[in-house]
Amino acid sequence: QKEVEQNSGPLSVPEGAIASLNCTYSDRGSQSFFWYRQYSGKSPELIMSIYSNGDKEDGRFTAQLNKASQYVSLLIRDSQPSDSATYLCAVFSGGYNKLIFGAGTRLAVHP
Amino acid sequence: DAGITQSPRYKITETGRQVTLMCHQTWSHSYMFWYRQDLGHGLRLIYYSAAADITDKGEVPDGYVVSRSKTENFPLTLESATRSQTSVYFCASSEVPGWGSGELFFGEGSRLTVL
Repeated sequence: QKEVEQNSGPLSVPEGAIASLNCTYSDRGSQSFFWYRQYSGKSPELIMSIYSNGDKEDGRFTAQLNKASQYVSLLIRDSQPSDSATYLCAVFSGGYNKLIFGAGTRLAVHP
Repeated sequence: DAGITQSPRYKITETGRQVTLMCHQTWSHSYMFWYRQDLGHGLRLIYYSAAADITDKGEVPDGYVVSRSKTENFPLTLESATRSQTSVYFCASSEVPGWGSGELFFGEGSRLTVL
């Protein structure tokens, strides 16, 4: 079992729709969770962080965390073609004392 | 300008040769990291450093060597390159990993091809 798992996609959504990206993790002691966005040929950049169960909203982005079920998700409302990228879920593992990334989900938003 | 820079951005080498990828950051961040990114695997941690002269292995350290004599530099050396080390390498830095903002700042990446 991988420590952080994501569906590789591609996830294709029409412009204006809600994109839902999911991630599960194996280390139950993990405390910090992050979503990075990576455009093709570019480096990852942080877009959201979440530390407590529940929802955290930032503009069109909402991160959701459920520690009991060991999953974290990212919702993108009113998706735009400029949101087309690979989204990387990252989990800080206290046991390993490092940030572990999932393989990423490729999102394609079509006009 | 402040930031994190990697060099070279592109490198082609042959099997068995030694290659060094350079990473320099101007923020005086304590933590620095080297990741490799391959299709289907995402970002995998090679080595990291919590401070000058403190380094530790990540998930895939075999075949790599790092050093950190100065806070701002964190070079990654492939002592004898193999084809399986063909990848995109990202250097990153952070004041504190995974806590607080937990934000990693990534360099632009170094694309290495081993023939």
